[in-house]
Amino acid sequence: GAVVSQHPSRVICKSGTSVKIECRSLDFQATTMFWYRQFPKQSLMLMATSNEGSKATYEQGVEKDKFLINHASLTLSTLTVTSAHPEDSSFYICSARDWGQGAGNTIYFGEGSWLTVV
Amino acid sequence: AQSVTQPDIHITVSEGASLELRCNYSYGATPYLFWYVQSPGQGLQLLLKYFSGDTLVQGIKGFEAEFKRSQSSFNLRKPSVHWSDAAEYFCAVGPPSGGGADGLTFGKGTHLIIQP
Repeated sequence: GAVVSQHPSRVICKSGTSVKIECRSLDFQATTMFWYRQFPKQSLMLMATSNEGSKATYEQGVEKDKFLINHASLTLSTLTVTSAHPEDSSFYICSARDWGQGAGNTIYFGEGSWLTVV
Repeated sequence: AQSVTQPDIHITVSEGASLELRCNYSYGATPYLFWYVQSPGQGLQLLLKYFSGDTLVQGIKGFEAEFKRSQSSFNLRKPSVHWSDAAEYFCAVGPPSGGGADGLTFGKGTHLIIQP
């Protein structure tokens, strides 16, 4: 079935550096992908909607200059955490909806990426 | 604005017993409803979804859920749980149509503990 893949699954970076997380739809095209953030033992919070070929739409309270989103192709969206700080440490998950025929409009999630900023 | 309530933060069930996880939602129209399971340190796995049609939906791993419009509920059930079902379960809602922002709104999750 359709799969959404994230890379890296775990990353440790130094405070002040930037880190990029990739989200790929492996066997379907995704004009829209979504980025979520999950703090330990908490629920997922939608950060932004990634739109292929246009600017991302950010949820209220999410800094667009800090969390850069690029959706350069129909199968790839990237989230770059710029000038990372320890409070950015979290579990980041992406999702994409498969609109293809027979897909049932299912939303698939990536495996998630653990970011630790030291 | 839409919201999802999972009233039970933790539930403990004996292996082999039945399970019901509660989910209530608030939404302006009939939403697109999901149940996901998350094992520790892992991503989300879709158990089942409801869009329209039969209000009792079957999912993977022996789970089912029933949409009750009058109660704004979408409770998850399993007749006999296995130790491997221990995980975090999330109920989520989203708009049925695409276009624009149709990210999901998640409940806070229910942590399922299985007793031997």
